[in-house]
Amino acid sequence: EVQLVQSGAEVKKPGESLKISCKGSGYSFTSYWIGWVRQMPGKGLEWMGIIYPGDSDTRYSPSFQGQVTISADKSISTAYLQWSSLKASDTAMYYCARQTATFDPWGQGTLVTVSS
Amino acid sequence: QSALTQPPSASGSPGQSVTISCTGTSSDVGGYNYVSWYQQHPGKAPKLMIYEVSKRPSGVPDRFSGSKSGNTASLTVSGLQAEDEADYYCSSYAGSNNFDFGTGTKVTVL
Repeated sequence: EVQLVQSGAEVKKPGESLKISCKGSGYSFTSYWIGWVRQMPGKGLEWMGIIYPGDSDTRYSPSFQGQVTISADKSISTAYLQWSSLKASDTAMYYCARQTATFDPWGQGTLVTVSS
Repeated sequence: QSALTQPPSASGSPGQSVTISCTGTSSDVGGYNYVSWYQQHPGKAPKLMIYEVSKRPSGVPDRFSGSKSGNTASLTVSGLQAEDEADYYCSSYAGSNNFDFGTGTKVTVL
């Protein structure tokens, strides 16, 4: 079974750094792009960017370029999304998904709460 | 890059049909046959329902169908059931490895 399992919920203060993870299993992790999607409270889905774990080729949505960093460690089939300095407006659910021209399957989501 | 436009809400009685539109531009919906649709129940991750405009993944009931005309894609849910009540999002490839999501539609089964 193809599966993506994300790291657990995080509560952080503004200005802190954070790295969340997404571990793939049941398929060749290096052969598919992994995408990240943000969903702010009560809002819709926003595509953030993608990474190809095979060679770490990374693309960002213009809206998120410079705001986050996407990376991957193919040796442990894990992709990452990280922030160097969180803001309250980063409070959201973050999903990873195996991505072609389609997002499938999805991870269960990681809730990030940023509050002083 | 901007969100694709969907109606905020749609509704129908059990057994009826509901159609949701997803309007983009010639740079996304109209330019590629890479429109997909996702169902999201409260507190859950989205689930793929339709891909490449009109294809259904294994396990998705044939009550769900997709189509496209010009810059507008549509999702139709026929024979509405209580479990179809959810938020639905469209997505489209937008070229240069960019992707757009729709604004989302809340489907209510009356």
